[in-house]
Amino acid sequence: GEDVEQSLFLSVREGDSSVINCTYTDSSSTYLYWYKQEPGAGLQLLTYIFSNMDMKQDQRLTVLLNKKDKHLSLRIADTQTGDSAIYFCAGSNSGNTPLVFGKGTRLSVIA
Amino acid sequence: DAGVTQSPTHLIKTRGQQVTLRCSPKSGHDTVSWYQQALGQGPQFIFQYYEEEERQRGNFPDRFSGHQFPNYSSELNVNALLLGDSALYLCASSLEPGGGETQYFGPGTRLLVL
Repeated sequence: GEDVEQSLFLSVREGDSSVINCTYTDSSSTYLYWYKQEPGAGLQLLTYIFSNMDMKQDQRLTVLLNKKDKHLSLRIADTQTGDSAIYFCAGSNSGNTPLVFGKGTRLSVIA
Repeated sequence: DAGVTQSPTHLIKTRGQQVTLRCSPKSGHDTVSWYQQALGQGPQFIFQYYEEEERQRGNFPDRFSGHQFPNYSSELNVNALLLGDSALYLCASSLEPGGGETQYFGPGTRLLVL
C-alpha cells in the first residue's frame, strides 16, 4: 500500500521561507494534499495538486510535484508565527478514496 | 455554510466500555470517512460511509463499527474499549466522485480510555 514519509521537524525565522518535503510510494496517487493541524485542533485543508500538474501556487503557498521521484513539497513564503503547526502530506487515488497520511512535520517559527 | 461538526469534543471512558461518536458532514456532502489519529502520528483511515453503507474499511478490528443516517450524518461506535483506543477521532466529509475532489475534516473528538 501507499507509504508517505515526511521529515518530523522544521524550524525557521519569521519572514523566511519554509519548505516542507514529502515522499510517497504509490505512483497511482492522483491527488496529493497538504493539511495543517494546530494544537488541539482538527485538520485544515491548505491546498492540493493533481498528479498531472507540476506546480500550484495559492497566495503564500507553492506546491511542487516531482512525479518521477514521487516527491512533493510545500513552500510557505514570508513565514509568520501563525504558521507554526503540524503539516501533513496525504495522497489518494481519487477524492473519495482513503487518504494516506505521513506522520507530519512540526513547523516552528521563531520570532 | 456549516463545516463538518463532531460531538462530543472530549470523552473519557474506562477499559471495556463502549463509546459512540457523532459527525455531521459539510452542507451538500454525502460521504463520511472516519480516521483515528494517535498521539504523534498521522491520521489512519477507519472506514467510509456512502448511501448508508460502509463502502471501504481500513485495518481496524470489528470492535469499530459505524452507521450513516438518511441525512448523511454518521456515528462511529467502538466496543470493548482498550487503552490503545485513546486518540483523536476525525470525521471527514466529501462529495461522491463527479462532485468534488477533497475531504474536509471536522475538529475531532478526543477520546481518553483509562
